[in-house]
Amino acid sequence: GESVGLHLPTLSVQEGDNSIINCAYSNSASDYFIWYKQESGKGPQFIIDIRSNMDKRQGQRVTVLLNKTVKHLSLQIAATQPGDSAVYFCAENIGGTYKYIFGTGTRLKVLA
Amino acid sequence: EAGVTQSPTHLIKTRGQQATLRCSPISGHTSVYWYQQALGLGLQFLLWYDEGEERNRGNFPPRFSGRQFPNYSSELNVNALELEDSALYLCASSSTRRPNNSPLHFGNGTRLTVT
Repeated sequence: GESVGLHLPTLSVQEGDNSIINCAYSNSASDYFIWYKQESGKGPQFIIDIRSNMDKRQGQRVTVLLNKTVKHLSLQIAATQPGDSAVYFCAENIGGTYKYIFGTGTRLKVLA
Repeated sequence: EAGVTQSPTHLIKTRGQQATLRCSPISGHTSVYWYQQALGLGLQFLLWYDEGEERNRGNFPPRFSGRQFPNYSSELNVNALELEDSALYLCASSSTRRPNNSPLHFGNGTRLTVT
């Protein structure tokens, strides 16, 4: 599996602005992708998912974009709120196997 | 609908002891996954259970083991604890054995501290 050091990349945004969090995935066979939010002391919380036959999916205040050409996934959060402060990471599922690969995570800080 | 529940929330053990962590999946979910999340690191896959059977395990030593009960709840056992086993242990459940059909839903984890 993948691992990173103690220092996660951090994205700081003003309250009310839009946030964009990016994720690069490595496996061409991955066909299902999920974004999770993890607050301090809690487990990962499902935000939104997308299958490889789509390139965009929208939820409530969130949009996921998938670019299979460059193996890139992004999460857009509209009108970012203080409650959005958390670590966000992506997960890819490889071709319907049990195997999920989890991204390293980005810490989102919302500035008042 | 109750989410994935894990117990205990925190567990403190000394090196060499054994730890047992428990997980109850979302009602109706038959697949249970266990992950280790060490401080500042990504999720590392430990074990996958479905319909009472161990379906796959990650690159962890045999002292990490578990089982799934007929009601689909699961237990993770860690024997001969080492200091580096200190981590957040996350359980996740899924409604289907086909992992690309629905997301994993996680519990809040058990924080294991080995001293």
